[in-house]
Amino acid sequence: SQQGEEDPQALSIQEGENATMNCSYKTSINNLQWYRQNSGRGLVHLILIRSNEREKHSGRLRVTLDTSKKSSSLLITASRAADTASYFCATVLNQGGKLIFGQGTELSVKP
Amino acid sequence: DAGITQSPRHKVTETGTPVTLRCHQTENHRYMYWYRQDPGHGLRLIHYSYGVKDTDKGEVSDGYSVSRSKTEDFLLTLESATSSQTSVYFCAISALGIRDTGELFFGEGSRLTVL
Repeated sequence: SQQGEEDPQALSIQEGENATMNCSYKTSINNLQWYRQNSGRGLVHLILIRSNEREKHSGRLRVTLDTSKKSSSLLITASRAADTASYFCATVLNQGGKLIFGQGTELSVKP
Repeated sequence: DAGITQSPRHKVTETGTPVTLRCHQTENHRYMYWYRQDPGHGLRLIHYSYGVKDTDKGEVSDGYSVSRSKTEDFLLTLESATSSQTSVYFCAISALGIRDTGELFFGEGSRLTVL
């Protein structure tokens, strides 16, 4: 079964709006990462947040982590058409040390 | 962009034939991974390597084998391809173990169709 599950599965917004994607996981983690995948391409790392961190920022990206709820969110502010892609959360388990991906959120930003 | 090359990028083969996918990196990273991506399943880890000749199984390793005889090359072999192995395969690399920095760099993918 998947460790990480993203919500929503698909999201459509207008340029300039904010996009929020959520990720829930099941077992305790070492860190959680977000990746982006443009259609037909490989994944690109966006940001990593460790289990002892609550929030991180990178440019227009803001990631939060709530270990008590076993959830994370990715906020993209002032979205652009170029942000159209699939976004995946991935968790590193405390046991096993592998990176487990969720199924992704497909974001469409309309100009 | 990280120097990762996957070959072939596209392959169509028949059930029962052997297939080898190659991942070549120029970054001298210690860790290499093979994932498959399927609709409804996201990315699933097949095998990974933590050094030359050091490999371990992932979530979906049945039907796959790997080899790493050099730092730069990680081969994924399907000994006898089945239709359920039709997928897009991604190679990834990382300099440190994923508990340390965790950042993976991905190749562009190899699309395999088994008829």
